[in-house]
Amino acid sequence: ETGVTQTPRHLVMGMTNKKSLKCEQHLGHNAMYWYKQSAKKPLELMFVYNFKEQTENNSVPSRFSPECPNSSHLFLHLHTLQPEDSALYLCASSQQGGATDTQYFGPGTRLTVL
Amino acid sequence: AQSVTQLDSQVPVFEEAPVELRCNYSSSVSVYLFWYVQYPNQGLQLLLKYLSGSTLVKGINGFEAEFNKSQTSFHLRKPSVHISDTAEYFCAVSGPTGMDSSYKLIFGSGTRLLVRP
Repeated sequence: ETGVTQTPRHLVMGMTNKKSLKCEQHLGHNAMYWYKQSAKKPLELMFVYNFKEQTENNSVPSRFSPECPNSSHLFLHLHTLQPEDSALYLCASSQQGGATDTQYFGPGTRLTVL
Repeated sequence: AQSVTQLDSQVPVFEEAPVELRCNYSSSVSVYLFWYVQYPNQGLQLLLKYLSGSTLVKGINGFEAEFNKSQTSFHLRKPSVHISDTAEYFCAVSGPTGMDSSYKLIFGSGTRLLVRP
């Protein structure tokens, strides 16, 4: 596979569940990102990893826990979510995390919290 | 701090007509600007970006944008749109994360382009 892939594409979970979102990039990039996309709101950056080190946590609640075991994989662990966390979660990667980098996005995971 | 404003939430236009999607930015550091497109049920895809040099930037699918420093704008244009251009368009500016030399994109709220036959 090429580009950035995300699994699952759709996820429905209750508020007491624990689930994980997975992102994998096949581009040889060193930076990876998690974004939240809600209806009628700008794309919200959640986390940035550069060379496996977290370089940004945009005041994200602790019920979201990222993990970056290597430069190709990024996870978002979810627990005790709220209905307002329902959104499209997008993963992206870029070459070096630099100012001029193009970010390449996956198709997203559509999350519904009941 | 960096910010992006897209004043038009939706722009309806007839097929083969020209279109302009507006973007204004604010930045206290060097300005790098991007336009991304999101088709239904897909992630974002880069249309074009301005890094330096010529203020007129050409991108994919016949789109172009002009960087105007005095007006702090980076409007996106296409002379003749197709039905397939119906999508959400996002303007973004690059800004530092505050840690090491890492950067992030700050996105506008998006403009939905609706092309009608």
